[in-house]
Amino acid sequence: DAGVTQSPTHLIKTRGQQVTLRCSPKSGHDTVSWYQQALGQGPQFIFQYYEEEERQRGNFPDRFSGHQFPNYSSELNVNALLLGDSALYLCASSWGGQPQHFGDGTRLSIL
Amino acid sequence: RKEVEQDPGPFNVPEGATVAFNCTYSNSASQSFFWYRQDCRKEPKLLMSVYSSGNEDGRFTAQLNRASQYISLLIRDSKLSDSATYLCVVNRRGGSNYKLTFGKGTLLTVNP
Repeated sequence: DAGVTQSPTHLIKTRGQQVTLRCSPKSGHDTVSWYQQALGQGPQFIFQYYEEEERQRGNFPDRFSGHQFPNYSSELNVNALLLGDSALYLCASSWGGQPQHFGDGTRLSIL
Repeated sequence: RKEVEQDPGPFNVPEGATVAFNCTYSNSASQSFFWYRQDCRKEPKLLMSVYSSGNEDGRFTAQLNRASQYISLLIRDSKLSDSATYLCVVNRRGGSNYKLTFGKGTLLTVNP
């Protein structure tokens, strides 16, 4: 039973570029949440998707957008990248009131 | 004031020591509480949920005081493998399907 999988593992971009990160939830999970974790900080909630709609959103600008597909997988898109967007991006999946399971993350570096 | 605040750490303890982590949260409407563990350059993993009655899992004991908005984690007889960052996590709704709000984390190093 595969857990939460994220791709790519690492990514290097330059300022102003756009990036798409992908997440496949754990089997049986229908809800996907995205978090940003800067170095030395705890993860910060970006948004959550359920039934292909954004259900909740944290304090992130509109440059951060997402999508959920009918198979529950999800994408996180970030436009006009800034140096401050360098971080570990974590995807977590869940079902009902069960605990969220995290993927290994995508480490994004902005040059 | 941050929504979840933890001991800044880091904590360095010898094997076999007992170590306690403290956490406070600001939103009295918070309904569910967790401790996650994160190894270096790895994803957070759920260590245990925290209940008002207190709960224990082997060497780990978690406590919640709703009146004081305070959460704790006690690790007894610490092992080298306990070295990690411990994250205090709060959920504004019951269960875990609402957004999780994380503390900054407290780094624990257990020394031989």
